[in-house]
Amino acid sequence: DAGITQSPRYKITETGRQVTLMCHQTWSHSYMFWYRQDLGHGLRLIYYSAAADITDKGEVPDGYVVSRSKTENFPLTLESATRSQTSVYFCASSPVADEQYFGPGTRLTVT
Amino acid sequence: AQSVAQPEDQVNVAEGNPLTVKCTYSVSGNPYLFWYVQYPNRGLQFLLKYITGDNLVKGSYGFEAEFNKSQTSFHLKKPSALVSDSALYFCAVRDRSADKLIFGTGTRLQVFP
Repeated sequence: DAGITQSPRYKITETGRQVTLMCHQTWSHSYMFWYRQDLGHGLRLIYYSAAADITDKGEVPDGYVVSRSKTENFPLTLESATRSQTSVYFCASSPVADEQYFGPGTRLTVT
Repeated sequence: AQSVAQPEDQVNVAEGNPLTVKCTYSVSGNPYLFWYVQYPNRGLQFLLKYITGDNLVKGSYGFEAEFNKSQTSFHLKKPSALVSDSALYFCAVRDRSADKLIFGTGTRLQVFP
């Protein structure tokens, strides 16, 4: 199906474990973004990518790693999860860094 | 630096009444401005955007927004609210020299029957 998907939709992990959140889009959009949504903070940009093999830090990149070897995929890895990384994570894509299309989100709980 | 302010955490309105959700912004140059809506347990959906031209922008579901350069505002409006409009609304801004959006903290709209 066309669109943008995220997996898993829900994840519970323990402090210190590595977790990877997946994002896949079928539009061949150049830009992809990772946000976290927390009460009182709205959406905050973690990392973004303007094209394959090009990534840049956003507002809150610490503790996260991204890669973009293929245009359609943009995984987000928490190298050593902390409780402060409990959040809802949204991936988005855009053809021209303009109007963005969001995935359904991944709710991550770090215990 | 770019920034967006949504001064109201929540807006309550009766069904059939007009609604306004406020947004002010700060950018160094001419802005690109956006409104998104988020329904429970869903991702954000694009509503409308201002790039250039007419200051009144029309978008999805009967929403519109007015760009006011002197007041650096981009308020979202709808002439007649529906209960189904109840959701979380986000304003976002992009400086034309940048390639990422800055989002506000969101305003929860509650429309009562």
